[in-house]
Amino acid sequence: GAGVSQSPSNKVTEKGKDVELRCDPISGHTALYWYRQSLGQGLEFLIYFQGNSAPDKSGLPSDRFSAERTGGSVSTLTIQRTQQEDSAVYLCASSPTLGRDTEAFFGQGTRLTVV
Amino acid sequence: GESVGLHLPTLSVQEGDNSIINCAYSNSASDYFIWYKQESGKGPQFIIDIRSNMDKRQGQRVTVLLNKTVKHLSLQIAATQPGDSAVYFCAEKGSNYQLIWGAGTKLIIKP
Repeated sequence: GAGVSQSPSNKVTEKGKDVELRCDPISGHTALYWYRQSLGQGLEFLIYFQGNSAPDKSGLPSDRFSAERTGGSVSTLTIQRTQQEDSAVYLCASSPTLGRDTEAFFGQGTRLTVV
Repeated sequence: GESVGLHLPTLSVQEGDNSIINCAYSNSASDYFIWYKQESGKGPQFIIDIRSNMDKRQGQRVTVLLNKTVKHLSLQIAATQPGDSAVYFCAEKGSNYQLIWGAGTKLIIKP
């Protein structure tokens, strides 16, 4: 596609349920990033992928969070047993490479509300 | 640790005037900075970037200035337009390839 695509755009879930968020990066981009943005705040880094590999998972807030990427393309972020503090906008970005001076292109995000 | 912060949470500017948004960073080893614009309900949009071997970089109506001595970054928007209304974030590329973000400055354009 022309840009980074995320689905769903909005998700309301009950506390304790599992949710899965999807990111479709720009075709050919090897690097993919997940961020979380709470209301009125900056972005909090969660995890990055180089190809299908995520070398460092220490940014994930808890062991309820996991992410995977298959085929070097689509990535899913899974949150198990959701809590109210998980409510936020989850943003995905991709870049052509993992270089330090490489621009990242963002999707529009998934707004997650845990009730 | 690494952190990036913004001086003002909200900036009101008259339409047609120039806007200046400031940002401070703490890691003197930082070598790449980006400004993003985020409109309501949308993801961040790249505006301009600058590497640490530069002091100034210009784009279309935007200029980024980098002062490594005081670890300060600014974004200047010339002839501010209503479409410039958004939250502006400065970000630094961290050691783990992630972007380290400030809290953002909301730019309000007065007619």
